Amino acid sequence: DAKTTQPTSMDCAEGRAANLPCNHSTISGNEYVYWYRQIHSQGPQYIIHGLKNNETNEMASLIITEDRKSSTLILPHATLRDTAVYYCIVRLNTNAGKSTFGDGTTLTVKP
Amino acid sequence: IAGITQAPTSQILAAGRRMTLRCTQDMRHNAMYWYRQDLGLGLRLIHYSNTAGTTGKGEVPDGYSVSRANTDDFPLTLASAVPSQTSVYFCASSDEAGGKPGELFFGEGSRLTVL
Repeated sequence: DAKTTQPTSMDCAEGRAANLPCNHSTISGNEYVYWYRQIHSQGPQYIIHGLKNNETNEMASLIITEDRKSSTLILPHATLRDTAVYYCIVRLNTNAGKSTFGDGTTLTVKP
Repeated sequence: IAGITQAPTSQILAAGRRMTLRCTQDMRHNAMYWYRQDLGLGLRLIHYSNTAGTTGKGEVPDGYSVSRANTDDFPLTLASAVPSQTSVYFCASSDEAGGKPGELFFGEGSRLTVL
């Protein structure tokens, strides 16, 4: 699996968009970008994934650059409950459990 | 909807004792996994099972064993616990045979302290 680089921490004001970057410069052509988050003491939760097109669901949007070497997770209207550690993972869409979870980005949403 | 159930939620254990962490899923997912998460760090894969009857080693398998006798259950056993195995253990599953391959579903974790 390709290695990812994320900032250690970020702050965001409540109600504003939270933009979480991820660099994955060694991504291969058939690897997907997955995002999970982990709210304190809970199990990680799947957010979204994509291959090369931008994706949107009820939780977030995923923007992947044309060269696929980086991506951004967007929470359009962050709430206090979005405070969590966000993990960016790059891997094939099989053998999900072999995902490599790095240290992620700790997002703190402030009132 | 139960999803993945782990037990116990937390446990304090004396070093040298044997311990089994239980994991049950009701989603009929073919693949299951065990991770450990040490304080302030990301998750590391211990063992996995792609289908009932098969298991494989992850990143940090030493000191742990697993079995997969059926689709729903995937217990993790520490044969002789050591303090370095103090951690939070997460069980997860995924539907690699269809549905949403690649999406992991996690349990709420089992917090284990070995003294």
